[in-house]
Amino acid sequence: GQSLEQPSEVTAVEGAIVQINCTYQTSGFYGLSWYQQHDGGAPTFLSYNALDGLEETGRFSSFLSRSDSYGYLLLQELQMKDSASYFCAVRDGEGQGGKLIFGQGTELSVKP
Amino acid sequence: AAGVIQSPRHLIKEKRETATLKCYPIPRHDTVYWYQQGPGQDPQFLISFYEKMQSDKGSIPDRFSAQQFSDYHSELNMSSLELGDSALYFCASSLGGRIYEQYFGPGTRLTVT
Repeated sequence: GQSLEQPSEVTAVEGAIVQINCTYQTSGFYGLSWYQQHDGGAPTFLSYNALDGLEETGRFSSFLSRSDSYGYLLLQELQMKDSASYFCAVRDGEGQGGKLIFGQGTELSVKP
Repeated sequence: AAGVIQSPRHLIKEKRETATLKCYPIPRHDTVYWYQQGPGQDPQFLISFYEKMQSDKGSIPDRFSAQQFSDYHSELNMSSLELGDSALYFCASSLGGRIYEQYFGPGTRLTVT
């Protein structure tokens, strides 16, 4: 089976940089995704890493190290609107089947 | 851009009743997923459909069933509702095997009293 671990809470101030870590244990690995979810809202896809290294999308970057079964989401120039839960997720299953398994989520609180 | 549509947005049912949730995926997306999310929890995968055929199954109770229709919309049918079924139910869709990149609908908040 698949399991993911991420911190339950992170607090940071506006304008700062925060890193949310995710470690995973999988029977087969097809990449690591990140999703953002505001309270009461729907999860929103942020990024995906299939290969080692850093992927940058605006203020957000995501990193993957397959040898360490580890990834992180980096949020720069934090804004109040970044306060949300962030989930890492891995795929379970192959071919046209398969599903996403989510971590427990990290609740990010951005303070003024 | 078109998004995933879910209806209803809110639903209140009594124990032992039946509920039907509907999902309209993004046009041309070929895979639909259903998730259940309790308060403070991560989304739990229930079931998915690829090109109208069930493609994977998760922790979906036997009381629940789902199908995808010829127009690609999907319905989640929930019978003999229990208090523990109260949750947010999300539908998501993806294109071309991009399981890692799913687009979620706004969700249906089901309350069982």
